[in-house]
Amino acid sequence: NAGVMQNPRHLVRRRGQEARLRCSPMKGHSHVYWYRQLPEEGLKFMVYLQKENIIDESGMPKERFSAEFPKEGPSILRIQQVVRGDSAAYFCASSPLDRGASPLHFGNGTRLTVT
Amino acid sequence: GIQVEQSPPDLILQEGANSTLRCNFSDSVNNLQWFHQNPWGQLINLFYIPSGTKQNGRLSATTVATERYSLLYISSSQTTDSGVYFCAARSYNTDKLIFGTGTRLQVFP
Repeated sequence: NAGVMQNPRHLVRRRGQEARLRCSPMKGHSHVYWYRQLPEEGLKFMVYLQKENIIDESGMPKERFSAEFPKEGPSILRIQQVVRGDSAAYFCASSPLDRGASPLHFGNGTRLTVT
Repeated sequence: GIQVEQSPPDLILQEGANSTLRCNFSDSVNNLQWFHQNPWGQLINLFYIPSGTKQNGRLSATTVATERYSLLYISSSQTTDSGVYFCAARSYNTDKLIFGTGTRLQVFP
């Protein structure tokens, strides 16, 4: 039973490029969450998605960041025109349908470095 | 929204010592989790414990939901226990799991 899979593990982008981070939830899980961890800080909520729906994006920066969770395929966190301040670890988590009474399972993260 | 506070922020131990990490939260919760982030950055799920007590080897956790706190106990600490321990909680009126700022543990031989 594979866990939450994130790829790539490490991503290097130059300023102005686009970064695309992928997350495949655990089998049977239909809820996906994205978190960002800046160096030496805790994890901050970014967005919560269900299949084809964004439920809560209150933690997403207003510009350059977007997320989707299509009917088929992984969830994608997209960062356009990256800047050095976007360098961070991005974690994805998933939970099953009855999210209120179940834990979130986290992937190993994608470490984005912007040069 | 819910506030999650952890103490102490830093903890230095010698191998073999015991420790208690605390997590206070500001609202009733339907989810409380403890994580260990190892020096390689991996986030390891230790406990899902919105209430009650659980044990897993040298680690145990207790959540007293009515008093809005949780404790993580580490006994006979080992150098591999080093890293940052996070508590995260979700209240009934939100979908977000909110993380505390963590306790950084260093265990020396």
